[in-house]
Amino acid sequence: GEDVEQSLFLSVREGDSSVINCTYTDSSSTYLYWYKQEPGAGLQLLTYIFSNMDMKQDQRLTVLLNKKDKHLSLRIADTQTGDSAIYFCAESFRGSQGNLIFGKGTKLSVKP
Amino acid sequence: DSGVTQTPKHLITATGQRVTLRCSPRSGDLSVYWYQQSLDQGLQFLIHYYNGEERAKGNILERFSAQQFPDLHSELNLSSLELGDSALYFCASSGETGGLDEQFFGPGTRLTVL
Repeated sequence: GEDVEQSLFLSVREGDSSVINCTYTDSSSTYLYWYKQEPGAGLQLLTYIFSNMDMKQDQRLTVLLNKKDKHLSLRIADTQTGDSAIYFCAESFRGSQGNLIFGKGTKLSVKP
Repeated sequence: DSGVTQTPKHLITATGQRVTLRCSPRSGDLSVYWYQQSLDQGLQFLIHYYNGEERAKGNILERFSAQQFPDLHSELNLSSLELGDSALYFCASSGETGGLDEQFFGPGTRLTVL
């Protein structure tokens, strides 16, 4: 079955890099996503990576995918207080008709 | 603003009651997804509709049902409510089915069952 695991909390200082990790179990995943949820708001897609890629960079965000270990990470460079939120890893896989399987989310706290 | 609207924003009701949550997708999006977010279960996919037809079912209870209307808005009906149904219910919409499917999420409806 599908399962996506994330650590629940991460605390960093403003200006440092944050690395949020995720492991997944379904090897037929096609796309892996990172969503951000700010307090009282819905989810916002930050970035995604296709499963045949190793890395994707998008401004301050770097996604690394280790398909062998089924490990996905999101690095946020120069973390700002506005980055404080819950970050969800999600996967979709062939035949899922697009529905997403989410991890439980990592709460990122950025201290000034 | 994602362009997806959900009403109501908050709903407080009693056990045994029935409620209807409403979602309007982004203009032009044919797919609507419903998700439930609770503290213990996290974010779980419930059901997916595409252009009025059910496409996929996730962990949706038999007490719950949904539909998508010709104008593409969708409703999630929750009946015989239990305390454990208290959660945030999200609707998302997208333009495609399957493949890379950027889903745009609404702000959610917070349901409290007392």
